[in-house]
Amino acid sequence: AQRVTQPEKLLSVFKGAPVELKCNYSYSGSPELFWYVQYSRQRLQLLLRHISRESIKGFTADLNKGETSFHLKKPFAQEEDSAMYYCALPHTGFQKLVFGTGTRLLVSP
Amino acid sequence: GAVVSQHPSWVICKSGTSVKIECRSLDFQATTMFWYRQFPKQSLMLMATSNEGSKATYEQGVEKDKFLINHASLTLSTLTVTSAHPEDSSFYICSARFEDMNTEAFFGQGTRLTVV
Repeated sequence: AQRVTQPEKLLSVFKGAPVELKCNYSYSGSPELFWYVQYSRQRLQLLLRHISRESIKGFTADLNKGETSFHLKKPFAQEEDSAMYYCALPHTGFQKLVFGTGTRLLVSP
Repeated sequence: GAVVSQHPSWVICKSGTSVKIECRSLDFQATTMFWYRQFPKQSLMLMATSNEGSKATYEQGVEKDKFLINHASLTLSTLTVTSAHPEDSSFYICSARFEDMNTEAFFGQGTRLTVV
């Protein structure tokens, strides 16, 4: 069964520090992975997706099939990056997304 | 990106009453919509998948008679919480995707339900 694991509930860093939010998955086949972000009092929105291989707001994520990981990284965290981050992948055969439990990123000044 | 709108944004109701939450895709046709429940500072829990013109598919442990889902058109799905109780108080979020499985999901702003 598809599963997404985000081992950290909370990640607290200082402004300017590097950030890595971990995501591991289990999936049969080639997954399409997503990172969603939820800022305070805002709706969940797509941050980036594996297939587009782009950098959004300085964040990048590389799919590592050997380690079944899709960690989200940013070299220099900003205070406005503070939010909940969710890793997700599609459920095989269905359109629904399977979400991880989320990691709260807190960037302090 | 595409817009998904929920109404109302918040609602307070008395125990025993029913509450209907609407989810609309404003600028695209969504054959499938999803309903989630989110507890404070926790992840989204998928409740059901709503398919236009057919019965919703509920996740294990979700009472289908309690949470009635209707997807009457390609742009509207409704969630009705029947005979609401305080434990039903939560944040309910809908989402919609295009038919292509590998496209992103668009989320509504959520509905805060408080049952008193």
